Amino acid sequence: EPEVTQTPSHQVTQMGQEVILRCVPISNHLYFYWYRQILGQKVEFLVSFYNNEISEKSEIFDDQFSVERPDGSNFTLKIRSTKLEDSAMYFCASSGDLGYGYTFGSGTRLTVV
Amino acid sequence: QKEVEQNSGPLSVPEGAIASLNCTYSDRGSQSFFWYRQYSGKSPELIMSIYSNGDKEDGRFTAQLNKASQYVSLLIRDSQPSDSATYLCAVNRPNAGNMLTFGGGTRLMVKP
Repeated sequence: EPEVTQTPSHQVTQMGQEVILRCVPISNHLYFYWYRQILGQKVEFLVSFYNNEISEKSEIFDDQFSVERPDGSNFTLKIRSTKLEDSAMYFCASSGDLGYGYTFGSGTRLTVV
Repeated sequence: QKEVEQNSGPLSVPEGAIASLNCTYSDRGSQSFFWYRQYSGKSPELIMSIYSNGDKEDGRFTAQLNKASQYVSLLIRDSQPSDSATYLCAVNRPNAGNMLTFGGGTRLMVKP
């Protein structure tokens, strides 16, 4: 079964450092997403991406965050200057069409110290 | 604030029983509704989608939707210990691409 692949599975970084989280969506999917889940809390929307541009973003997705699809397969989330409160599980997801459910990747656990 | 609400549980059922999980949502314009299963420390896994009023069955799972009452439910028949997980209800935000709003999840425990 097709998978969404995320790397790394766990990243520890110092406050103020930049991190890049990487994702390879399912190859024929067109819509890509980043969500995060702080431990014990809800899954929260960050950003959606379609046709090489951001289609929606949440209030969480401020100027510290950016997304890129640098080639035909990868989809990245960059956090420019990490804060302690950015510690969370970050999930990439993709879907084949609007209105369809997503397939989530296995996640990257980001720990900011 | 557009919300999706779920009882956090835990909901405890004996093996072989029917587990009933409920979800309410606030945005009347929502059209797509999903149930995800999330094991501890893992990512959400899509188990059911429903788009129109009524019931939709897939194996041991039945999703029910009532748009007038803004209510979605998931029934799990013949519950197994492996069904023990947190079940997340997710609802699309209308006019917001394919953005989903997730509820906080209901923790289900199936006891052998």
